[in-house]
Amino acid sequence: DIQMTQSPSTLSASVGDRVAITCRASQSISGWLAWYQQKPGKAPNLLIYKASSLESGVPSRFSGSGSGTEFTLTITGLQPDDFATYFCQQYSIYPWTFGQGTKVEIK
Amino acid sequence: EVQLLESGGGLVQPGGSLRLSCVASGFTFSNYAMTWVRQAPGKGLECVSTITASGGSTYYVDSVKGRFTISRDNSKDTLYLQINSLRAEDTAVYYCAKAPRSSSSYNYFDCWGQGTLVTVSS
Repeated sequence: DIQMTQSPSTLSASVGDRVAITCRASQSISGWLAWYQQKPGKAPNLLIYKASSLESGVPSRFSGSGSGTEFTLTITGLQPDDFATYFCQQYSIYPWTFGQGTKVEIK
Repeated sequence: EVQLLESGGGLVQPGGSLRLSCVASGFTFSNYAMTWVRQAPGKGLECVSTITASGGSTYYVDSVKGRFTISRDNSKDTLYLQINSLRAEDTAVYYCAKAPRSSSSYNYFDCWGQGTLVTVSS
């Protein structure tokens, strides 16, 4: 199975900050990567697919980049609603696998 | 509005069985592949099983092969997961999730249900 490793595991930031979360794949997945946001007690919500495509309805402060084995989710101008846990998911080879998550906390 | 609603979770003893259901609404269910994803308490996400739009092909992660069976009834807009021989490590919230396409290839998930909790304990 393809292993997905996110860093950092926890990130402390303030409203208005620019934050970046990295996701690395154990082998090349081309651009077959999605990012999700999850809040406590809720299901994940799709933010980005195909590494950099913004899902409809998702604010433009979220952006994704990367290809191959290294990817980044960037939030430009962190808002109070953005404090949550973020997961990456590869969908190149089954079983699709997720990163372990990055929790974005209030500093 | 696209919605997925799971049910069927509960407390079950090791070795027991459950059938989870996921009722879809707001979209043409028969056009999309579906997946069950689970999340153990305080842990990450794991893709458990996937079925194509027609139901003709199914896929499983190795840890559940031979114990879990995914199926769907497109006439009822419902996805199922039969889970047998339950183990403590199967304890998790089980989500059904919709893919943006009919095939099992290159699936991410553009809609998720609220989840149903399965607890395996004696």
